[in-house]
Amino acid sequence: DAGVIQSPRHEVTEMGQEVTLRCKPISGHNSLFWYRQTMMRGLELLIYFNNNVPIDDSGMPEDRFSAKMPNASFSTLKIQPSEPRDSAVYFCASSSPNEKLFFGSGTQLSVL
Amino acid sequence: AQSVTQPDIHITVSEGASLELRCNYSYGATPYLFWYVQSPGQGLQLLLKYFSGDTLVQGIKGFEAEFKRSQSSFNLRKPSVHWSDAAEYFCAVASSNDYKLSFGAGTTVTVRA
Repeated sequence: DAGVIQSPRHEVTEMGQEVTLRCKPISGHNSLFWYRQTMMRGLELLIYFNNNVPIDDSGMPEDRFSAKMPNASFSTLKIQPSEPRDSAVYFCASSSPNEKLFFGSGTQLSVL
Repeated sequence: AQSVTQPDIHITVSEGASLELRCNYSYGATPYLFWYVQSPGQGLQLLLKYFSGDTLVQGIKGFEAEFKRSQSSFNLRKPSVHWSDAAEYFCAVASSNDYKLSFGAGTTVTVRA
């Protein structure tokens, strides 16, 4: 299996632009998580899905952030409009019940 | 809700010396505990995990961790570090019902020659 695949690896954009991060979980995994990593806050859980349904989005910073999981093999995290303080590394992870998390390589987002 | 504290933000250790990274957790029931490592430019890799059973857990790359319920701790150790162990280390706790992970802030390990 190729593991959790995230794209793009790096994204540089200007303030106010829409940003879409993509994630393909490992086939057969039914839980998917979006994390954000910053120097100030470390790793934060933004949202997680179980069987394509959002279970807990309490970590989503504000309405500018939205996440979808239209099917079991694809999820997006969208920021609209983006702001410089959104600059971070965004990780996607997936798992099966009672199994370990597998993380993607992350997307480095820079908002100028 | 569960939470994790990693008291040490940055540790510098000489190559060949021993390493111990501290982790304290808060969780009402028996936790699932993990240590992840993040090397520069890479994603997170699981070093080891504790679900139940033997409280001394062996992981990859020569790491081990000991679960101490009385101290609410899950400290990570390595007897002799290598330069390649320089990385960011994250302790995490998950609830036993929904597997939602909570991470500590991380400890940066620098290895000097």
